[in-house]
Amino acid sequence: SQTIHQWPATLVQPVGSPLSLECTVEGTSNPNLYWYRQAAGRGLQLLFYSVGIGQISSEVPQNLSASRPQDRQFILSSKKLLLSDSGFYLCAWSGQAWDGYTFGSGTRLTVV
Amino acid sequence: GNSVTQMEGPVTLSEEAFLTINCTYTATGYPSLFWYVQYPGEGLQLLLKATKADDKGSNKGFEATYRKETTSFHLEKGSVQVSDSAVYFCALSDRGGTSYGKLTFGQGTILTVHP
Repeated sequence: SQTIHQWPATLVQPVGSPLSLECTVEGTSNPNLYWYRQAAGRGLQLLFYSVGIGQISSEVPQNLSASRPQDRQFILSSKKLLLSDSGFYLCAWSGQAWDGYTFGSGTRLTVV
Repeated sequence: GNSVTQMEGPVTLSEEAFLTINCTYTATGYPSLFWYVQYPGEGLQLLLKATKADDKGSNKGFEATYRKETTSFHLEKGSVQVSDSAVYFCALSDRGGTSYGKLTFGQGTILTVHP
């Protein structure tokens, strides 16, 4: 069966520090991968998605970047965090377009 | 483009009450429709889905019917429990084209159920 792992679960980082969040999927190949940010426990903002190794599409210009160094690995990064980067970050994967997503458990990032 | 509109909420109910959360959509193609649930501090979980008109998705006592004529996918449950307290998201996936399976989400509806 397919599983998705996301870590860390919580993170407190000072302003100006770097960020690296990792997401891996097991039990499938060539998944579509997504990074979302959720503010205030409500709306979901799509940040990046990837349909293959090295292929990254950015939905919203911002202080973050994403990379997909391996088929089932998706990394969200920042060189210098801002206070506004605080939020709940969710990774997800999908297969066929009509199957929907499977989400990771999320990372709560607080920038102080 | 595609969009999903959910009732604003928050919704507050007593245990065993009937639940309806409205969801309507606009889509350029022929979408699949989903309801996701997010419990406090967790990621989103797929609750149910429907892939064609008149399909009914169901799970854990929740139901939603894909209504193409009214472009709706309302979530219902006959008797809610305290454990149903969560945020509920309606979403659509437009098949094909360059959508790459991207989901379009509604803004979420907070449900609180009191004993």
